[in-house]
Amino acid sequence: AQSVTQLDSQVPVFEEAPVELRCNYSSSVSVYLFWYVQYPNQGLQLLLKYLSGSTLVKGINGFEAEFNKSQTSFHLRKPSVHISDTAEYFCAVSLMIYNQGGKLIFGQGTELSVKP
Amino acid sequence: DAGVTQSPTHLIKTRGQQVTLRCSPISGHKSVSWYQQVLGQGPQFIFQYYEKEERGRGNFPDRFSARQFPNYSSELNVNALLLGDSALYLCASSSRDLTGLNTEAFFGQGTRLTVV
Repeated sequence: AQSVTQLDSQVPVFEEAPVELRCNYSSSVSVYLFWYVQYPNQGLQLLLKYLSGSTLVKGINGFEAEFNKSQTSFHLRKPSVHISDTAEYFCAVSLMIYNQGGKLIFGQGTELSVKP
Repeated sequence: DAGVTQSPTHLIKTRGQQVTLRCSPISGHKSVSWYQQVLGQGPQFIFQYYEKEERGRGNFPDRFSARQFPNYSSELNVNALLLGDSALYLCASSSRDLTGLNTEAFFGQGTRLTVV
């Protein structure tokens, strides 16, 4: 069975400070990896994705993530956060299985709170 | 271009009633998935449909059902509502690459269902 663990449920940080949101996954098959952001009372917006190739992935709003296969991790980072980054962040995986992919398995989420 | 649209945005139902939620995917997307997001948790996979056929089902009771129409829109039905069905229901659409793998899911704003 596949699972995703987000190691921090809440991350408070001051504006302009760097931040890292941690994500580990477990899977017996190869996976695609995603980070989504959810603002209050809204759906999910894709921040970035890892499908193949370079293990360092850059996304929108200045976020980036690094895929580490040996540690089965996909941590999200931003060098300098803004108040507007306050939101819930979800790490997710989908299985690389022909005609069965598309099901996303999500972590429990990390609430990022940026304070002035 | 229109994104994924869901209707209604909010809904209040009484225990034991039935509810139908609707989703229109992004134009050209043939795959639609449904997720349930209970407050404070990550989304949980309910169903995936591709080309009008069910391609995946999550661990939900038979009270949950869905279908996809020839125009690729989809409906999620929940019978005999329980208080625990109160959640944000998210619809996601995706396309497939030439290998048959879904590479990215785009989410709608969700339907907030409250069961009283």
